[in-house]
Amino acid sequence: QVQLVQSGAEVKKPGASVKISCKTSGYTFTNFYVHWVRQAPGQGPEWMGVINPDGGATNYAQKFRGRVALTRDTSTTTVYMDLSNLRSEDWATYYCAREDIHTGMVLFYWGQGTLVSVSS
Amino acid sequence: EIVLTQSPGTLSLSPGERGTLSCRASQNIRTYLAWYQQKPGQAPRLLIYEASKRATGVPARFIGSGSGTDFTLTISSLEPEDFAVYYCQQRDSWMTFGGGTKVEVK
Repeated sequence: QVQLVQSGAEVKKPGASVKISCKTSGYTFTNFYVHWVRQAPGQGPEWMGVINPDGGATNYAQKFRGRVALTRDTSTTTVYMDLSNLRSEDWATYYCAREDIHTGMVLFYWGQGTLVSVSS
Repeated sequence: EIVLTQSPGTLSLSPGERGTLSCRASQNIRTYLAWYQQKPGQAPRLLIYEASKRATGVPARFIGSGSGTDFTLTISSLEPEDFAVYYCQQRDSWMTFGGGTKVEVK
């Protein structure tokens, strides 16, 4: 079965960086785009960007350009999200998610989420 | 950026009642709208895509409709497990989500 398993919770200071992993399994890694979505406490989800595991091409939401980097390792079928220059507003749960088989830019399979806390 | 506005913010209903949730887009998004359900401590779950198509495994009581700028998610008869927060999401121009509608027990 399809699974996306994320790395554990992180506590960071303002100005630091965080790198979250998303280990995928149960499907052909290069066949489906993987997205990153974050959700601040009590807020709706917010799309951050997407990576095509087949070749590694990326697209980022304008809000995060210059601060976020998505990468992948095809040998371990893992996708990574790196967010730099953290500020208090980045305190959120971060999710990786795989597109649905029927259509792109719609997310069917999700990781369990990784809480990133940012505090001095 | 396309803005999605959901209403109402909270819907108070009893099991067995019909729930009607609204999502309005700031510009024409054709039928490129999806609906998700989220329960506390869980990731969102895809319910509807392309405005009206049910995702795999989603019960028939979840009905999506609309096109252009106005969309509706109808839950025909609320089951206890349906009390949750619902989000709409557009894919016409990258991806944005609405602010959510909480369906709570009356």
